[in-house]
Amino acid sequence: GQQLNQSPQSMFIQEGEDVSMNCTSSSIFNTWLWYKQDPGEGPVLLIALYKAGELTSNGRLTAQFGITRKDSFLNISASIPSDVGIYFCAGQSGNTPLVFGKGTRLSVIA
Amino acid sequence: EPEVTQTPSHQVTQMGQEVILRCVPISNHLYFYWYRQILGQKVEFLVSFYNNEISEKSEIFDDQFSVERPDGSNFTLKIRSTKLEDSAMYFCASSWTSWGAGGANVLTFGAGSRLTVL
Repeated sequence: GQQLNQSPQSMFIQEGEDVSMNCTSSSIFNTWLWYKQDPGEGPVLLIALYKAGELTSNGRLTAQFGITRKDSFLNISASIPSDVGIYFCAGQSGNTPLVFGKGTRLSVIA
Repeated sequence: EPEVTQTPSHQVTQMGQEVILRCVPISNHLYFYWYRQILGQKVEFLVSFYNNEISEKSEIFDDQFSVERPDGSNFTLKIRSTKLEDSAMYFCASSWTSWGAGGANVLTFGAGSRLTVL
């Protein structure tokens, strides 16, 4: 099945720092999504990307759909304590189910 | 903001017992899904459901699993005879469109039901 490689697996950063995480795939995707999961909660959609090369922002978050359609990155600028959580990339193509990466666990040190 | 609600939030059961996890999808959504997340691991697709039938399922979704939409609002996942390895967080999700519809297909997830099999 389709596999997503998400990195890094975990990050410890100081409050105010910028964060970058990415996902790569051996398969082409038509849609890239980035979700955040807080402890004990379900994934919540942050950003959706539908077109190769697309760069989309949501507040301090910026995500890009790679030109090759096999990768995507998520940047968080000026991190704050509430950014703590697990960030998942997810990809989808054709009529196949949405596939998730293994997640990046973000810890922010105040 | 419309949300997907799941019950129970946590269930503890003995191995071999039947479990039913319940979900109320967003009211105008047409496509329903179950995903699971074993502790510390990624979210994995189990099954998708549309028009009162399964549209796709993964290899995880074996004969021990079944889904049902018993009325106009609930969507249930049944595990017939639970195994230790069924312990996980089970997420229900719903969407307005199908996988291949592009743009508007965004899944909204519930908060999950944590299943612990002893």
